[in-house]
Amino acid sequence: GAVVSQHPSRVICKSGTSVKIECRSLDFQATTMFWYRQFPKQSLMLMATSNEGSKATYEQGVEKDKFLINHASLTLSTLTVTSAHPEDSSFYICSARDLMGKETQYFGPGTRLLVL
Amino acid sequence: AQSVTQPDIHITVSEGASLELRCNYSYGATPYLFWYVQSPGQGLQLLLKYFSGDTLVHCIKGFEAEFKRSQSSFNLRKPSVHWSDAAEYFCAVAHPGGGNKLTFGTGTQLKVEL
Repeated sequence: GAVVSQHPSRVICKSGTSVKIECRSLDFQATTMFWYRQFPKQSLMLMATSNEGSKATYEQGVEKDKFLINHASLTLSTLTVTSAHPEDSSFYICSARDLMGKETQYFGPGTRLLVL
Repeated sequence: AQSVTQPDIHITVSEGASLELRCNYSYGATPYLFWYVQSPGQGLQLLLKYFSGDTLVHCIKGFEAEFKRSQSSFNLRKPSVHWSDAAEYFCAVAHPGGGNKLTFGTGTQLKVEL
């Protein structure tokens, strides 16, 4: 099946630093990747849609200058949390849509971010 | 706007018992429907999906889900639960041709008693 990886799996950083999270589709090409945020005991909330070669589309209420998204190739999207603060601590999950996979998204294992 | 409701936040069943997790959606037309499972600290794994055709879909893990248009439901079932099925289950919908955006339900936490 389609595999999506995320790196790092877990990161602890100081307040004010920036953190980059990578999302890779390992055995398929993805023109579209999605970034989600999940708070404890809650569902996934879509943050943005990442399109290869163009600007990301952000959901209402998500600061694009805070959460920088780059989708430089058909297998890699990155999310950078800039000037992270404790309230940015969360579980960040990416997904990728297979070019051939008609509406099916495959999810990465997630990145646990803790900002001190 | 489309929405997904999973009325049961927590469900506890005994190993070997049958299981049904409820999912209802609100949408003007028939959306694409999905069930995902999430183990603690991990991402989501696709269990099964419905796009069109046969309204009863199955997956290799023994789960099945049935799309019922009249009830706007896509309930997940398993005849005999195993301890390893304990996890969080999310129902999700997508608008056909709507840019693949998924709308998730709030999830159902399944506990299995041995």
